[in-house]
Amino acid sequence: EAGVAQSPRYKIIEKRQSVAFWCNPISGHATLYWYQQILGQGPKLLIQFQNNGVVDDSQLPKDRFSAERLKGVDSTLKIQPAKLEDSAVYLCASSSQGLAGYNEQFFGPGTRLTVL
Amino acid sequence: AQSVSQHNHHVILSEAASLELGCNYSYGGTVNLFWYVQYPGQHLQLLLKYFSGDPLVKGIKGFEAEFIKSKFSFNLRKPSVQWSDTAEYFCAVNAWNAGNMLTFGGGTRLMVKP
Repeated sequence: EAGVAQSPRYKIIEKRQSVAFWCNPISGHATLYWYQQILGQGPKLLIQFQNNGVVDDSQLPKDRFSAERLKGVDSTLKIQPAKLEDSAVYLCASSSQGLAGYNEQFFGPGTRLTVL
Repeated sequence: AQSVSQHNHHVILSEAASLELGCNYSYGGTVNLFWYVQYPGQHLQLLLKYFSGDPLVKGIKGFEAEFIKSKFSFNLRKPSVQWSDTAEYFCAVNAWNAGNMLTFGGGTRLMVKP
């Protein structure tokens, strides 16, 4: 079974530029998550999708970050314009949609963003 | 909102030493608890999980963790570490009323000297 795919793996941009990250979840997984992991910290959830709808985006800085999952499969996370403090690893995860209880999240390799 | 604290940010051990990594969470209700591991250059992987039942849970590669409800703790242990255990370890919590959302601790970077 293929895992969660992310691209690019690394990205270096200058502040005020825009950047986009792509995620392809495990086939059949209805729920998709984007996390931000700043160096020395644990992952922080930015947004959670269930199919093509947003479940939680309370920690997404909406003035500069946006995410979409138009067809309920792939997802794109965009930052526009980027700030120095956006330097981090952006992790994508996916999980199946069970009837009840917690469904294990599977993580992709992440995209390491450096903003200069 | 729940939070997770991992008090040891960096740990250095020699091979065959015993390991215990602390994890405390703040949430008064029912929780699911997890330990994830991230080996150098690899993605986050689930090491073990606790949902209910026996508070001592065993995971992959000889790791175990004990849930102590009265202390809001879920410490990770391994009797004898190997060089290949060098990695970053994250504790995470899922509160029963938070859907599938995970809250992670800040991580502990473990280095095992051969």
